[in-house]
Amino acid sequence: DIQMTQSPSSVSASVGDRVTITCRASQGISSWLAWYQQKPGKAPKLLIYAASSLQSGVPSRFSGSGSGTDFTLTISSLQPEDFATYYCQQANSFLWTFGQGTKVEIK
Amino acid sequence: QVQLVQSGAEVKKPGASVKVSCKASGYTFTSYGISWVRQAPGQGLEWMGWISAYNGNTNYAQKLQGRVTMTTDTSTSTAYMELRSLRSDDTAVYYCARVTRLDAFDIWGQGTMVTVSS
Repeated sequence: DIQMTQSPSSVSASVGDRVTITCRASQGISSWLAWYQQKPGKAPKLLIYAASSLQSGVPSRFSGSGSGTDFTLTISSLQPEDFATYYCQQANSFLWTFGQGTKVEIK
Repeated sequence: QVQLVQSGAEVKKPGASVKVSCKASGYTFTSYGISWVRQAPGQGLEWMGWISAYNGNTNYAQKLQGRVTMTTDTSTSTAYMELRSLRSDDTAVYYCARVTRLDAFDIWGQGTMVTVSS
């Protein structure tokens, strides 16, 4: 199975900060990577698919990059509604794996 | 609008089975797959398996093989996930999600809490 390792596990940041979360796959996955945002008590929400494609309706301050084994989610200017937990997810031959999550907290 | 609506919360005893439903609306059900994801209290997301709503093909997470079965009923646009031989560590919120052609999960159900307790 392909393992996904996210870092950091948590980050404290202020409104307006640039935040970067990384995700590393245990083997190459081309661009089969998605990013999700989850708020407490809610279902996850798709932000980025195919490593760098922005899901419809998602603000442009969110961006994704990378291919192969190393990927990045960037929030260019953190907004109050962005405090949440973020997960990366890989897809490989109808098998999926999530990273362990990164909690973005208020500094 | 496109949505997935799941069945209500369940409380089960250890060793029992649970079957959760996920009714789709607002899109052509057989054009997308459905995945199931669970989240234990305070924990991260765990992918459980996938089913093609087109032909019923399935793929399950290795750790759940033999205990989980996913099915669909195309006449009612409903997907089902059955988990057997329940244990306390199966206590979690269970989500269904629509799988896009680029293998991302773009629409999610509201979640179903399953509690396993004696």
